[in-house]
Amino acid sequence: DTGVSQDPRHKITKRGQNVTFRCDPISEHNRLYWYRQTLGQGPEFLTYFQNEAQLEKSRLLSDRFSAERPKGSFSTLEIQRTEQGDSAMYLCASSWRTGMNTEAFFGQGTRLTVV
Amino acid sequence: GEDVEQSLFLSVREGDSSVINCTYTDSSSTYLYWYKQEPGAGLQLLTYIFSNMDMKQDQRLTVLLNKKDKHLSLRIADTQTGDSAIYFCAESTTGGGADGLTFGKGTHLIIQP
Repeated sequence: DTGVSQDPRHKITKRGQNVTFRCDPISEHNRLYWYRQTLGQGPEFLTYFQNEAQLEKSRLLSDRFSAERPKGSFSTLEIQRTEQGDSAMYLCASSWRTGMNTEAFFGQGTRLTVV
Repeated sequence: GEDVEQSLFLSVREGDSSVINCTYTDSSSTYLYWYKQEPGAGLQLLTYIFSNMDMKQDQRLTVLLNKKDKHLSLRIADTQTGDSAIYFCAESTTGGGADGLTFGKGTHLIIQP
């Protein structure tokens, strides 16, 4: 297993365009998380899935953002009508939740630049 | 609301100990974490501590938790150049995985030769 994989690693888009990112978690991990990290800040929680169910969404996830995990494996995060403020690193993480605490593994992120 | 504070920079000499400090505000935090981020890389979980513990040691890493003062520290013994990175403190009230983690802004650890 190569860990959490995110694609693309970098994306430059014009303001107003739609973008979609993909995250492939570690095999058999039932939880998948999306975070956003802007320059000089720590990551901020966006949303997470347990299997295919989206269990929690942060208020940071505006109506222009949508995340899916249709088969409980990979996930996509789409941003519609991108704005310059969407420029950030989008991080995905996965974990196997069985007990109280399990380690979450982060991918290398997708860096989005909106011009 | 929840808040996690860290100093932005720490400079230490190679071979010395590094102590990175963090304060948090949420008294219902159940787990507290330290993550490491190297340039261009994702986050690597270094260690975590449950809120009913005072200390946890793992090889060169020692975590101290003062729950009364809501203060967390990470001590790295014998700091090496490979320890140069950004260190994030994070807290969770849910326990487990990475749902609802609140991160600090990160401390840049700079190693002097």
